[in-house]
This record gives sequence, C-alpha cells and structure tokens, in this order.
Amino acid sequence: KQEVTQIPAALSVPEGENLVLNCSFTDSAIYNLQWFRQDPGKGLTSLLLIQSSQREQTSGRLNASLDKSSGRSTLYIAASQPGDSATYLCAPEGGSYIPTFGRGTSLIVHP
Amino acid sequence: DAGVIQSPRHEVTEMGQEVTLRCKPISGHNSLFWYRQTMMRGLELLIYFNNNVPIDDSGMPEDRFSAKMPNASFSTLKIQPSEPRDSAVYFCASTVGDREYTEAFFGQGTRLTVV
Repeated sequence: KQEVTQIPAALSVPEGENLVLNCSFTDSAIYNLQWFRQDPGKGLTSLLLIQSSQREQTSGRLNASLDKSSGRSTLYIAASQPGDSATYLCAPEGGSYIPTFGRGTSLIVHP
Repeated sequence: DAGVIQSPRHEVTEMGQEVTLRCKPISGHNSLFWYRQTMMRGLELLIYFNNNVPIDDSGMPEDRFSAKMPNASFSTLKIQPSEPRDSAVYFCASTVGDREYTEAFFGQGTRLTVV
C-alpha cells in the first residue's frame, strides 16, 4: 500500500521567502505525481502534474521535481506571497491512476 | 466545462437518517473517485469507478456505505444509516483514466455533519 509523507507538516514564513515542500512515497511504481492546493473549506486545485518520465514541471513561481527511483518529490515556491497561504498536498498516482494523498503541508505566508 | 459538480455543499442530518451525496464528473472523463477527508485521517479513497464500473471499493468503511454510477455523468454515495463518526468532507474527483497524462480534478466537496 502506498504511503505518502509530507514534510514539514506546517510552515510559517514572511513574505518573499523561497520555500521547499517535501513529499516522499514508499512505492516508486507510479505513473504520475500531482501537487494540489487546498484553501480552508474549499476543494482541491491541481497545481502541477509530473509524469513518471519527467524530472520536473514549472508553472509560474512553482516548480515541482520528481525523483521516482528514490520516491521523492519537491515543490519549490519562489518569492512567496500571502496569497500562497493554503495546504499543499502531494499525490502520487499508482495502479489505475489512483491518487494517494499525504497529510499535506499547511503554509502561512505573512506580510 | 463547469468542472466536477457536487451536491449538496453542506448536509446536516440526524443519526440514523439516510444521506445521499451526488457528483457530476467532467464530461469525457471515464474515471471517478470518492474520497473522504477528516482531520484525523486526511484524504482517504473510498471507491473508484472506471467506465461506470466499481473497480476498487476496499476503502468503503462498512456496509452502511454504498456507491453507484448509473451512467457516465452521475454518481451517488449513500450512507444508511448515518452515524456521527461519518461527519467529514466528501470529495468526488474525475480523470481520464486510460492515458498516461491523467490530471485529476476535484469537486468542491460536501461537508456532512451527523448529529
């Protein structure tokens, strides 16, 4: 069974910092890995999807890397802003492309 | 497309009552997932459909839970009878499940409170 761990569980930083959110998973036999954002009381918004054949994906200030063999993915957030405050969830997709979720990293960016 | 649509957004019910949650996936998506989110356990997969057929229901907590997908555009998750420990946010997600690039899209969720 896939187990997903996200570190840190919570992060509070001043605006402008570059951030690193870590995700590790136990079963490296994955197809893709998605990063999601969840705002309080809301649904999940897809941020980035990395295919297993790729090493990284970029969208604006976000960059996600994937090291499938070691079971790790990292989400980089450049020049953080208060609007980035949310919970970030990592979800590797294994058999049948089913996403399995970690507990997330709760991020607060204060002005 | 309006995305994955779930209804109702909020549901408050008394213990023992039947609850039905509804989901309309994105048109053209052939895989549908139901998840439950709680503070204690995070996001847990309850059941997964592919082409309207339940493929994996190992996450369904007990017989009180049942799910159906009568057609490609509609799914229900039913709890009968409901219990206070079922209180959670239930999410539906859909994806194109037979391609390498399979981005999952989530609905806004149904917040269920059983009193």
